[in-house]
Amino acid sequence: QSALTQPASASGSPGQSITISCTGTSSDVGGYNYVTWYQQYPGKAPKLMIYEVSNRPSGVSNRFSGSKSGNTASLTITGLQAEDEADYYCCSYTSSSTLVFGGGTKLTVL
Amino acid sequence: EVQLVESGGGLVQPGGSLRLSCAASGFAFRTYWMSWVRQAPGKGLEWVANIKPDGSAEYYVDSVKGRITISRDNAGNSLYLQLNSLRPEDTAVYYCVGLFGNTRMIYWGQGTLVTVSS
Repeated sequence: QSALTQPASASGSPGQSITISCTGTSSDVGGYNYVTWYQQYPGKAPKLMIYEVSNRPSGVSNRFSGSKSGNTASLTITGLQAEDEADYYCCSYTSSSTLVFGGGTKLTVL
Repeated sequence: EVQLVESGGGLVQPGGSLRLSCAASGFAFRTYWMSWVRQAPGKGLEWVANIKPDGSAEYYVDSVKGRITISRDNAGNSLYLQLNSLRPEDTAVYYCVGLFGNTRMIYWGQGTLVTVSS
C-alpha cells in the first residue's frame, strides 16, 4: 500500500493551465477507473473535484478535468484563478479493496 | 443539510486507547459506505479504514491493522473508530467521511485531533 506519487508542488500564473500527475501501479491507478481528486484549503476538510478518472461532481467548475494513461492519472486546471491555490490529492481504489492517496501537490498561483 | 460531526479526540499517551465517534445527519447513513481518513500535522491525507453500509465488511490500511477497528450503528446514525496501542505516528486529525459507492468521498466532517505523546 505505497502512496501514489504526486509532485510536491506546482505553480502557474492566472489564466494559464497546469497539470498535476499521479502515478501508481497496475494494482491501483492502472487497474481501475476509480481515481478521484480532492482539493483542500489550509485548515479545511477536502472537497471532491473529480471522480472515476474524469467526471466532475455537480457544482465543480468545468475548468477542472481529469484523465488517465496507463498507471498515471492527471488533473488539469485551465484558466488558473487565485482561488485555485490549494493542496490537491489523488486517490485510487486498489486490488486489495482499499484506497490509497497520493502525497499531495501544493498549487501556487503566481 | 449533510452533517458529519466527529468527537472523542484528545491527548493520549503512547500505548493508550481512544474511541472516536462521528454523528451523521442529513443523508441516508445506512446506505452509505463510510471511511476514516487521517492527516498528520503538515502532512498529506491517509485513508485509514472503510466499512460497508450494513457493517458486514471492513478494510484497513496495513499500518493500523490489529490496532484500529471501524464500526457503525445504523440505528443511531453513528460511525466509530477504536484506536488501541497508539503510537506517536498516529497523531493526526481524523476525518469521518461518507462515500458514494466505495470510492467517492463526498461527505467530510471537520475532523477531530488525536495527539499521541507522553
